[in-house]
Amino acid sequence: QKEVEQNSGPLSVPEGAIASLNCTYSDRGSQSFFWYRQYSGKSPELIMFIYSNGDKEDGRFTAQLNKASQYVSLLIRDSQPSDSATYLCAVRGGNKLVFGAGTILRVKS
Amino acid sequence: GAVVSQHPSWVICKSGTSVKIECRSLDFQATTMFWYRQFPKQSLMLMATSNEGSKATYEQGVEKDKFLINHASLTLSTLTVTSAHPEDSSFYICSARRVSYEQYFGPGTRLTVT
Repeated sequence: QKEVEQNSGPLSVPEGAIASLNCTYSDRGSQSFFWYRQYSGKSPELIMFIYSNGDKEDGRFTAQLNKASQYVSLLIRDSQPSDSATYLCAVRGGNKLVFGAGTILRVKS
Repeated sequence: GAVVSQHPSWVICKSGTSVKIECRSLDFQATTMFWYRQFPKQSLMLMATSNEGSKATYEQGVEKDKFLINHASLTLSTLTVTSAHPEDSSFYICSARRVSYEQYFGPGTRLTVT
């Protein structure tokens, strides 16, 4: 059974701080990794994807991948109250994505 | 780019009737589309995977005769909930995957069965 594990949170950070969201996965053969943001009552929105070991930056977001440790993380710099949402980590397993249960992030102003 | 639309965004129907939900990839061709269901405060549950021109592959426990999926073209997939019952009330979300493997979600359809 391929699994993706996330801390459910909530993770609370003050406005302007760095939020660090973590995810581990069980399938060592996984090749592609995704972070989605989901606001309450809305569908998930793709914010980052990463395929290679190392860091990938896009604006305030940085995805980090360590395949040896089977670990992927998302850093959000200068966190804003509008970043408050559930963040879903997803790992491609074959033809479909395997989702973690999500981490609730709360950014306090 | 990578916009996925769904129609309708919400629907209320009476028990025993059927409801069709459309999913379209507006600016790319999607060889594979996915249908998910999400209950309040729960994670996404994959219902089925469909490839254009092929029969859908349903996840274990999902009734294929109740949830009919048709992937008619590279930009359109439909989900029909047949003989809907109140327990089918949920948030249904489609997703489309580009050739480059990124997967994008539609805005979702909130179904309420009375």
